[in-house]
This record gives sequence, structure tokens and C-alpha cells, in this order.
Amino acid sequence: KAGVTQTPRYLIKTRGQQVTLSCSPISGHRSVSWYQQTPGQGLQFLFEYFSETQRNKGNFPGRFSGRQFSNSRSEMNVSTLELGDSALYLCASSFRQGGGDEQFFGPGTRLTVL
Amino acid sequence: AQSVTQPDIHITVSEGASLELRCNYSYGATPYLFWYVQSPGQGLQLLLKYFSGDTLVQGIKGFEAEFKRSQSSFNLRKPSVHWSDAAEYFCAVLNGQGGKLIFGQGTELSVKP
Repeated sequence: KAGVTQTPRYLIKTRGQQVTLSCSPISGHRSVSWYQQTPGQGLQFLFEYFSETQRNKGNFPGRFSGRQFSNSRSEMNVSTLELGDSALYLCASSFRQGGGDEQFFGPGTRLTVL
Repeated sequence: AQSVTQPDIHITVSEGASLELRCNYSYGATPYLFWYVQSPGQGLQLLLKYFSGDTLVQGIKGFEAEFKRSQSSFNLRKPSVHWSDAAEYFCAVLNGQGGKLIFGQGTELSVKP
């Protein structure tokens, strides 16, 4: 069974631009969560999607948004990029929504904002 | 608020030596606990998890962890470390509101030959 895939693996953007990251979950998984990883703040939860609906959201500004499609694939969008948005963005999928189930992580997208 | 503390930022052990990585959590109810490992430039791989039942949990790659409710701890152990175990290790608790893992700051493990 293929694992979680994320595209692209690397991105370089400049301040003020926007970016879209993509995540394809493991086949049959319907929950997708996104995390931001930085050296200073560590791993922080962004949001979770299940059945095309956002079920949970972390403490990030409205510039961070996401969506999930009917095939469970998810996208994350960051608008008006800031230098502090440089991070590794990790996507995780699980079968059930809301926990009680392990999350499988993708390799991440490394975003650099110049 | 729920939180996870990994007191050791960096640990160095000799190959073949035993390893214990510490994790303390703060959570009101029975926690769902996890240990993940991350190699440079990679995502997170689940080593083991505790949901309920036996407090000694076996994982992959020869790792085990023991849940101690009285100490709010979930320490990760391995009897004999291999050079390939060098990586960063994260302890996490699942937030009861669903889907949200709360991670510790991580412990970077270096292995001396």
C-alpha cells in the first residue's frame, strides 16, 4: 500500500506570494491533518479534514487555509507569505476522524520564503 | 491545557549501549500516547503507541515504552542502540478534541561508534 505523498517536496517563494501544497492520503484513509514544523516552535497542528469538512483547527492566522476533496486528497494554502512561514509542512492521514487511530505522515514539503 | 515535555534536547550514547528517552505529559483523561522518529529531511515514522491495556508497549525497531500514570510519563527505551537509530524522537499525546497531536520539542539522538 502506498504511503502518504506530498507535492511538491520543496518550494521557494517570496514574501507576499501565496502557495498551495498538496497531500494524497493512504488509500482508504479519510482523515487528513496538517502540521507545521519549525526549529523554534516545533511541530504544531494546523487543521484536520474529514469527509471534505474541517473538523479541527489549530492557532494559526486566517492566511492558512485548506480543503479536502471527495477522493480525500487535501490541499493547504498560505496567502500573503511571511518570512516566518518558512517551515516543513507535514501531512498525516488516518482511517478515522478525531483520534483513536494512528496518523501516518508524509515526507513533508519544505517551504522557504525569501 | 495538554502538553508534552521532553526534558532532553540532545542525547549521545555509544553503539550497543542502552537508551532511555524521557517524556512527560499533561492531560486530564486517559491519554493516547505516541512515539515518532524523524530522520533528517524525512517525515515522521510511528515507533509505538499506547491507547489502553498493558502499560509496557512494544514497537518497531526493538523499541518499547512504559506508560506510568502516577508519574505522567511515557519513556522510550531500547536495550542496545544501533548507529542507524541516530535521529530525532518525538513524544506526542492525542488531544481529546480529536485529530490533533500535541508534540514535545523532540530529543535528538546521536550514536557514537
